[in-house]
Amino acid sequence: DTGVSQDPRHKITKRGQNVTFRCDPISEHNRLYWYRQTLGQGPEFLTYFQNEAQLEKSRLLSDRFSAERPKGSFSTLEIQRTEQGDSAMYLCASSRIDEQFFGPGTRLTVL
Amino acid sequence: TQLLEQSPQFLSIQEGENLTVYCNSSSVFSSLQWYRQEPGEGPVLLVTVVTGGEVKKLKRLTFQFGDARKDSSLHITAAQPGDTGLYLCAGATSGTYKYIFGTGTRLKVLA
Repeated sequence: DTGVSQDPRHKITKRGQNVTFRCDPISEHNRLYWYRQTLGQGPEFLTYFQNEAQLEKSRLLSDRFSAERPKGSFSTLEIQRTEQGDSAMYLCASSRIDEQFFGPGTRLTVL
Repeated sequence: TQLLEQSPQFLSIQEGENLTVYCNSSSVFSSLQWYRQEPGEGPVLLVTVVTGGEVKKLKRLTFQFGDARKDSSLHITAAQPGDTGLYLCAGATSGTYKYIFGTGTRLKVLA
């Protein structure tokens, strides 16, 4: 399967803990995106990379969120000191031109 | 702040009926995409439109991009239960690859 993969699919954590999610894009795709989606809403843009460069980051993100794409391939999204409001589905997508292909998402539950 | 408003927010129809979903904004988009998302999964791309006035057909689905590239519609003919899902539009403005998603239309087609 050559689609976008995300790991883990589900994560349950206690408030205050740090969590890290991984995204493996389609191999020839140079752009990689992170989104957050809460129940019943459309995905909310968090950040995106072109190759290893992080080109834009949402102003909605607090300093507790950080993303990396060290070699222009896979990416990680870390949330430090999680809060209950961070509970959501975190989606990764990759693209080469205009069309984004999404992974299955990581569902985060903060207790 | 760019906003993409979708209407209706919810739609429940009988199998065989036709429907139209709208996606509106005050911003001009260089490209606009439509996705369908099923529970617990990432969105799946249906179509990308880039030219004002463009019409694309995908089996029973017809997509139209407004002449001014600020709005779009999705028309489904003879809806089937398999069309059930969350329909999302997403637009990117010129000079950026950042996509803004709409608020979503949740469609349920009853057999």
